[in-house]
Amino acid sequence: DVKVTQSSRYLVKRTGEKVFLECVQDMDHENMFWYRQDPGLGLRLIYFSYDVKMKEKGDIPEGYSVSREKKERFSLILESASTNQTSMYLCASKGAGVLEEQYFGPGTRLTVT
Amino acid sequence: GENVEQHPSTLSVQEGDSAVIKCTYSDSASNYFPWYKQELGKRPQLIIDIRSNVGEKKDQRIAVTLNKTAKHFSLHITETQPEDSAVYFCAAYPPSTRNTPLVFGKGTRLSVIA
Repeated sequence: DVKVTQSSRYLVKRTGEKVFLECVQDMDHENMFWYRQDPGLGLRLIYFSYDVKMKEKGDIPEGYSVSREKKERFSLILESASTNQTSMYLCASKGAGVLEEQYFGPGTRLTVT
Repeated sequence: GENVEQHPSTLSVQEGDSAVIKCTYSDSASNYFPWYKQELGKRPQLIIDIRSNVGEKKDQRIAVTLNKTAKHFSLHITETQPEDSAVYFCAAYPPSTRNTPLVFGKGTRLSVIA
Protein backbone atom coordinates (compact mmCIF):
# COMPACT_ATOMS: atom_id res chain seq x y z
CA ASP A 1 0.00 0.00 0.00
CA VAL A 2 1.39 3.33 -1.11
CA LYS A 3 2.08 5.77 1.68
CA VAL A 4 3.01 9.40 2.00
CA THR A 5 2.83 10.57 5.59
CA GLN A 6 3.19 13.99 7.17
CA SER A 7 4.33 14.59 10.72
CA SER A 8 1.29 16.55 11.88
CA ARG A 9 -2.31 17.01 10.73
CA TYR A 10 -2.73 20.25 12.69
CA LEU A 11 -0.09 22.66 13.93
CA VAL A 12 -0.37 26.00 15.72
CA LYS A 13 2.69 28.23 15.92
CA ARG A 14 3.44 31.77 16.94
CA THR A 15 4.75 34.50 14.65
CA GLY A 16 8.53 34.37 14.41
CA GLU A 17 8.86 30.71 15.39
CA LYS A 18 10.87 28.28 13.27
CA VAL A 19 8.58 25.58 11.93
CA PHE A 20 9.47 22.17 10.54
CA LEU A 21 7.03 20.14 8.45
CA GLU A 22 8.14 16.59 7.77
CA CYS A 23 7.12 14.29 4.94
CA VAL A 24 8.03 10.63 4.55
CA GLN A 25 7.31 8.28 1.65
CA ASP A 26 7.83 4.55 1.55
CA MET A 27 7.75 4.03 -2.24
CA ASP A 28 11.44 4.72 -2.98
CA HIS A 29 10.35 7.70 -5.09
CA GLU A 30 12.98 10.03 -6.53
CA ASN A 31 10.76 13.11 -6.67
CA MET A 32 9.18 14.86 -3.70
CA PHE A 33 7.15 18.07 -3.58
CA TRP A 34 5.73 20.63 -1.14
CA TYR A 35 2.54 22.47 -2.04
CA ARG A 36 0.50 25.09 -0.32
CA GLN A 37 -3.29 24.95 -0.74
CA ASP A 38 -5.46 28.01 -0.18
CA PRO A 39 -9.13 28.51 -1.18
CA GLY A 40 -9.42 29.69 -4.77
CA LEU A 41 -5.68 29.45 -5.41
CA GLY A 42 -5.38 25.74 -6.01
CA LEU A 43 -2.16 23.82 -5.39
CA ARG A 44 0.84 26.13 -5.45
CA LEU A 45 4.27 24.52 -5.63
CA ILE A 46 6.73 25.76 -3.02
CA TYR A 47 9.78 23.54 -3.59
CA PHE A 48 10.55 20.16 -5.08
CA SER A 49 13.41 17.72 -4.99
CA TYR A 50 14.37 15.14 -7.63
CA ASP A 51 17.17 13.50 -5.67
CA VAL A 52 18.80 13.44 -2.26
CA LYS A 53 20.32 16.82 -1.39
CA MET A 54 18.85 18.35 -4.57
CA LYS A 55 16.18 21.02 -4.49
CA GLU A 56 14.44 23.30 -6.95
CA LYS A 57 12.31 26.37 -6.32
CA GLY A 58 8.68 26.19 -7.23
CA ASP A 59 6.28 29.05 -7.82
CA ILE A 60 6.23 30.50 -4.27
CA PRO A 61 9.53 29.71 -2.48
CA GLU A 62 9.82 33.00 -0.58
CA GLY A 63 9.83 32.51 3.17
CA TYR A 64 10.46 28.75 2.91
CA SER A 65 13.41 26.41 2.68
CA VAL A 66 13.67 22.63 2.33
CA SER A 67 15.94 19.78 3.25
CA ARG A 68 16.33 16.31 1.77
CA GLU A 69 19.07 14.38 3.51
CA LYS A 70 17.51 10.95 2.87
CA LYS A 71 15.57 9.71 -0.12
CA GLU A 72 12.41 8.98 1.83
CA ARG A 73 12.22 12.26 3.77
CA PHE A 74 11.57 15.82 2.60
CA SER A 75 11.27 18.64 5.11
CA LEU A 76 9.75 22.07 4.69
CA ILE A 77 11.14 24.79 6.94
CA LEU A 78 9.61 28.13 7.79
CA GLU A 79 12.55 30.06 9.19
CA SER A 80 10.39 32.73 10.83
CA ALA A 81 6.70 31.96 10.59
CA SER A 82 4.33 34.76 9.65
CA THR A 83 0.54 34.95 9.72
CA ASN A 84 0.35 34.91 5.92
CA GLN A 85 1.84 31.44 6.01
CA THR A 86 -1.29 30.10 7.68
CA SER A 87 -2.42 27.47 5.19
CA MET A 88 -2.80 23.79 4.31
CA TYR A 89 0.53 22.23 3.33
CA LEU A 90 0.55 19.11 1.16
CA CYS A 91 3.53 16.91 0.48
CA ALA A 92 3.67 14.61 -2.56
CA SER A 93 6.00 12.08 -4.11
CA LYS A 94 6.44 10.56 -7.55
CA GLY A 95 8.72 8.05 -9.20
CA ALA A 96 11.28 8.98 -11.84
CA GLY A 97 9.21 7.84 -14.82
CA VAL A 98 7.51 10.61 -16.73
CA LEU A 99 4.06 9.04 -16.57
CA GLU A 100 4.19 7.76 -13.01
CA GLU A 101 1.41 8.67 -10.62
CA GLN A 102 1.98 11.41 -8.08
CA TYR A 103 0.84 10.56 -4.54
CA PHE A 104 -0.14 13.13 -1.94
CA GLY A 105 0.16 13.12 1.83
CA PRO A 106 -2.82 13.90 4.09
CA GLY A 107 -1.80 17.53 4.60
CA THR A 108 -0.81 19.69 7.56
CA ARG A 109 -3.11 22.53 8.56
CA LEU A 110 -0.73 25.20 9.91
CA THR A 111 -2.05 28.18 11.83
CA VAL A 112 0.35 31.00 12.69
CA THR A 113 -0.95 33.36 15.37
CA GLY B 1 6.64 27.65 -18.90
CA GLU B 2 3.46 25.63 -18.95
CA ASN B 3 0.24 27.30 -17.80
CA VAL B 4 -2.99 25.42 -17.09
CA GLU B 5 -6.34 27.16 -16.82
CA GLN B 6 -9.38 25.37 -15.43
CA HIS B 7 -13.08 26.26 -15.71
CA PRO B 8 -15.46 26.60 -14.06
CA SER B 9 -14.19 27.26 -10.55
CA THR B 10 -17.48 26.04 -9.07
CA LEU B 11 -20.14 23.76 -10.56
CA SER B 12 -23.47 22.60 -9.14
CA VAL B 13 -25.46 19.82 -10.77
CA GLN B 14 -28.51 17.79 -9.89
CA GLU B 15 -27.93 14.18 -8.99
CA GLY B 16 -28.07 12.08 -12.14
CA ASP B 17 -27.02 14.90 -14.46
CA SER B 18 -23.65 15.14 -16.19
CA ALA B 19 -20.78 17.41 -15.20
CA VAL B 20 -18.04 18.72 -17.46
CA ILE B 21 -14.84 20.45 -16.35
CA LYS B 22 -12.53 21.99 -18.93
CA CYS B 23 -8.82 22.78 -18.89
CA THR B 24 -6.55 24.48 -21.39
CA TYR B 25 -2.77 24.29 -21.48
CA SER B 26 -0.14 26.42 -23.17
CA ASP B 27 2.81 24.11 -23.91
CA SER B 28 2.08 22.05 -27.01
CA ALA B 29 4.81 19.60 -25.97
CA SER B 30 2.93 18.54 -22.80
CA ASN B 31 2.20 14.84 -23.10
CA TYR B 32 0.45 13.66 -19.94
CA PHE B 33 -2.75 14.97 -18.37
CA PRO B 34 -3.93 13.56 -15.03
CA TRP B 35 -7.05 14.47 -13.08
CA TYR B 36 -7.13 14.47 -9.29
CA LYS B 37 -10.15 14.39 -6.97
CA GLN B 38 -9.96 15.86 -3.48
CA GLU B 39 -12.84 15.08 -1.15
CA LEU B 40 -13.44 17.35 1.79
CA GLY B 41 -10.69 16.93 4.38
CA LYS B 42 -8.81 14.37 2.31
CA ARG B 43 -5.77 14.27 0.08
CA PRO B 44 -5.97 14.65 -3.72
CA GLN B 45 -6.08 11.29 -5.47
CA LEU B 46 -5.62 10.39 -9.12
CA ILE B 47 -8.90 9.35 -10.75
CA ILE B 48 -8.02 9.21 -14.44
CA ASP B 49 -5.27 10.30 -16.80
CA ILE B 50 -4.69 10.55 -20.52
CA ARG B 51 -1.59 10.56 -22.67
CA SER B 52 -1.09 12.80 -25.66
CA ASN B 53 -1.36 9.94 -28.16
CA VAL B 54 -4.93 9.16 -27.05
CA GLY B 55 -8.06 11.22 -27.75
CA GLU B 56 -10.40 9.78 -25.15
CA LYS B 57 -10.30 7.48 -22.15
CA LYS B 58 -13.19 6.10 -20.09
CA ASP B 59 -13.46 4.49 -16.70
CA GLN B 60 -17.04 3.66 -15.73
CA ARG B 61 -18.83 7.00 -15.22
CA ILE B 62 -15.84 9.22 -15.84
CA ALA B 63 -14.13 10.03 -19.11
CA VAL B 64 -11.44 12.40 -20.27
CA THR B 65 -11.07 13.85 -23.74
CA LEU B 66 -8.03 15.54 -25.22
CA ASN B 67 -7.85 17.94 -28.16
CA LYS B 68 -4.17 18.47 -28.91
CA THR B 69 -4.81 20.94 -31.71
CA ALA B 70 -6.83 23.23 -29.47
CA LYS B 71 -4.69 22.39 -26.42
CA HIS B 72 -7.57 21.56 -24.17
CA PHE B 73 -8.79 18.55 -22.24
CA SER B 74 -11.98 17.87 -20.34
CA LEU B 75 -13.33 15.66 -17.57
CA HIS B 76 -16.81 14.26 -18.05
CA ILE B 77 -18.77 12.69 -15.21
CA THR B 78 -22.07 11.03 -16.12
CA GLU B 79 -24.94 10.06 -13.82
CA THR B 80 -23.49 12.14 -11.01
CA GLN B 81 -23.91 10.97 -7.43
CA PRO B 82 -23.51 12.81 -4.10
CA GLU B 83 -20.14 11.09 -3.56
CA ASP B 84 -18.85 12.85 -6.68
CA SER B 85 -18.95 16.12 -4.72
CA ALA B 86 -15.32 17.21 -4.37
CA VAL B 87 -12.67 19.53 -5.74
CA TYR B 88 -11.23 18.34 -9.05
CA PHE B 89 -7.80 19.39 -10.31
CA CYS B 90 -6.50 18.97 -13.82
CA ALA B 91 -2.76 18.95 -14.54
CA ALA B 92 -0.34 18.88 -17.44
CA TYR B 93 3.15 17.44 -17.62
CA PRO B 94 5.60 19.51 -19.67
CA PRO B 95 8.33 17.12 -20.84
CA SER B 96 11.24 19.55 -21.02
CA THR B 97 13.19 17.49 -18.49
CA ARG B 98 12.25 14.51 -16.39
CA ASN B 99 12.51 16.70 -13.31
CA THR B 100 9.79 19.09 -14.38
CA PRO B 101 6.84 18.92 -11.99
CA LEU B 102 3.17 18.67 -12.90
CA VAL B 103 1.44 22.01 -13.50
CA PHE B 104 -2.00 22.08 -11.88
CA GLY B 105 -5.12 24.06 -12.65
CA LYS B 106 -6.72 25.99 -9.80
CA GLY B 107 -9.44 23.43 -9.22
CA THR B 108 -13.20 23.07 -9.67
CA ARG B 109 -15.51 22.59 -6.70
CA LEU B 110 -18.27 20.24 -7.84
CA SER B 111 -21.45 20.00 -5.78
CA VAL B 112 -23.96 17.29 -6.60
CA ILE B 113 -27.38 18.16 -5.23
CA ALA B 114 -29.54 15.23 -4.21
